[in-house]
Amino acid sequence: SQQGEEDPQALSIQEGENATMNCSYKTSINNLQWYRQNSGRGLVHLILIRSNEREKHSGRLRVTLDTSKKSSSLLITASRAADTASYFCATDSSWGKLQFGAGTQVVVTP
Amino acid sequence: DAGVIQSPRHEVTEMGQEVTLRCKPISGHDYLFWYRQTMMRGLELLIYFNNNVPIDDSGMPEDRFSAKMPNASFSTLKIQPSEPRDSAVYFCASSLSREGLGNIQYFGAGTRLSVL
Repeated sequence: SQQGEEDPQALSIQEGENATMNCSYKTSINNLQWYRQNSGRGLVHLILIRSNEREKHSGRLRVTLDTSKKSSSLLITASRAADTASYFCATDSSWGKLQFGAGTQVVVTP
Repeated sequence: DAGVIQSPRHEVTEMGQEVTLRCKPISGHDYLFWYRQTMMRGLELLIYFNNNVPIDDSGMPEDRFSAKMPNASFSTLKIQPSEPRDSAVYFCASSLSREGLGNIQYFGAGTRLSVL
């Protein structure tokens, strides 16, 4: 079963706009990660946030984590066409296994 | 480093044939993971190894699937006999269990398997 569930399933925005996607999970975690997958490629790690952190930034990415609500959000600011991809959250509740959500498909149009 | 290397990139086979997928993890990584991705089920963890030893194979669909890691730089996932429902993209990933790093996984480009 999937631990993380992303919302929305799909998102279409224009270049320059911000994209926000959410992830909900069910059990307690050590950390939560976000990955990107371009069409026909493998997943690429974007950012990791630990269970004792509330917010983290990396370039145009901002991740928040609310462990009381068991949810996380990924914000991509000033989106570009190259940000078109699927985005997955993954939870790490025991070392070794990551459980991935179903992903949010983001399309950025010029 | 070249990253995680998978071969072949594409495989087309007929039902009943044996299929072997190959993976070379990043040098020095001590964890290796095999995943399967389909539209219907998303990304599923099939099996993972730590220091070449299988730790959890609960995601392996059935006895037709087997995986080995004979050394730190090579792993195989074998399907025998293959069935059309095995058609999917199979990913290999590796990670390093260093304190404080978290389980950040590095994925290969995947093998797209089509069983006719």
